Amino acid sequence: AQKVTQAQTEISVVEKEDVTLDCVYETRDTTYYLFWYKQPPSGELVFLIRRNSFDEQNEISGRYSWNFQKSTSSFNFTITASQVVDSAVYFCALTLYNQGGKLIFGQGTELSVKP
Amino acid sequence: DSGVTQTPKHLITATGQRVTLRCSPRSGDLSVYWYQQSLDQGLQFLIQYYNGEERAKGNILERFSAQQFPDLHSELNLSSLELGDSALYFCASSVTGEGHYGYTFGSGTRLTVV
Repeated sequence: AQKVTQAQTEISVVEKEDVTLDCVYETRDTTYYLFWYKQPPSGELVFLIRRNSFDEQNEISGRYSWNFQKSTSSFNFTITASQVVDSAVYFCALTLYNQGGKLIFGQGTELSVKP
Repeated sequence: DSGVTQTPKHLITATGQRVTLRCSPRSGDLSVYWYQQSLDQGLQFLIQYYNGEERAKGNILERFSAQQFPDLHSELNLSSLELGDSALYFCASSVTGEGHYGYTFGSGTRLTVV
């Protein structure tokens, strides 16, 4: 069975601190896709990044970066120089190649960035 | 605006009642997904339709049903409502029947059962 674990339920940081959100996944499939979504207080789910299982390159987008390591089944997300607007719940998710696109979500990490 | 439209945004109803949630996918998207977000269960996949046909089914209760119409909009019907059905219901859409490229979520319908 597939599973996504976000062990950090809540994280609180002060503005300008760096913060890493952990994501560990479980699957026996060799072809899969990993995602991060952001859910701000307004409630919508905003797509942040997609990574396939064959691409272990890390990615940086502005203050956001992602570290994918198949050896540890992890797909961690780092926010550099956090800002108050980063306060949200962040979800890591997994989908398999032949599952019709069903996303398996982790429980989410609530990030609070204080001024 | 994500392009996925969900109505209504909020719904308050009594136990035992029946409600219908509506979703219009992004233009050009053929697949619609329904998810339920609750405090105790988190985000759970309910059901997927692709071009009018059911494609995948998740942990959807028998009291719940869905369909996708020829114009590709979808409706999620929830009947015999219980307090525990109170949740945020999301619809998402994608071009293909596979969600490999991620999909776009609507802003959700918040259902409160009293």
